[in-house]
Amino acid sequence: AQSVTQPDIHITVSEGASLELRCNYSYGATPYLFWYVQSPGQGLQLLLKYFSGDTLVQGIKGFEAEFKRSQSSFNLRKPSVHWSDAAEYFCAVGARSSASKIIFGSGTRLSIRP
Amino acid sequence: EPEVTQTPSHQVTQMGQEVILRCVPISNHLYFYWYRQILGQKVEFLVSFYNNEISEKSEIFDDQFSVERPDGSNFTLKIRSTKLEDSAMYFCASSDPNRYTFGSGTRLTVV
Repeated sequence: AQSVTQPDIHITVSEGASLELRCNYSYGATPYLFWYVQSPGQGLQLLLKYFSGDTLVQGIKGFEAEFKRSQSSFNLRKPSVHWSDAAEYFCAVGARSSASKIIFGSGTRLSIRP
Repeated sequence: EPEVTQTPSHQVTQMGQEVILRCVPISNHLYFYWYRQILGQKVEFLVSFYNNEISEKSEIFDDQFSVERPDGSNFTLKIRSTKLEDSAMYFCASSDPNRYTFGSGTRLTVV
């Protein structure tokens, strides 16, 4: 079955500290992988995506993610968080097809400690 | 950068009423989708649409839901008789082989 697991429901980090949000997926083949961010009551903003090539992907706002096929993981990292990074983060997977649904994880809520 | 546009941003409707949520996908995209996010929960796939027909739908997409591309630019989701549990954020998306883009959503409140 296709699924995405984000094991951390809520994480709190201090401003300026590093961040890693975990994501594991179960999929029949190598999928497309995404990280989205959502502020309360707002839409989904794409942080980064992995389609192919370099397994370390750079995104917006200083975020990066690394695709590890052997671990079925696509963890999101940021070296130094800012108070404005507080939001809900969703990992998602989709098939390598133009007409494919995206399956979302349950999300990780990030809080920033001043 | 091209965007997916959704209207209205917020709609309040009485239980049992019909609602139509509207989306304008990116103009050269051929694949269209609707997703739903109940407050505090994850985003769930509802339906995908290609070449004027549904290509896949989830178990959530029952007979009270329908989708339509009434003209060359709009893509709509109709809920025939709304229930309280239909209250959610509804996201439209469109895609091509290199981009998968979501709209900013319509918040539907059923009272």
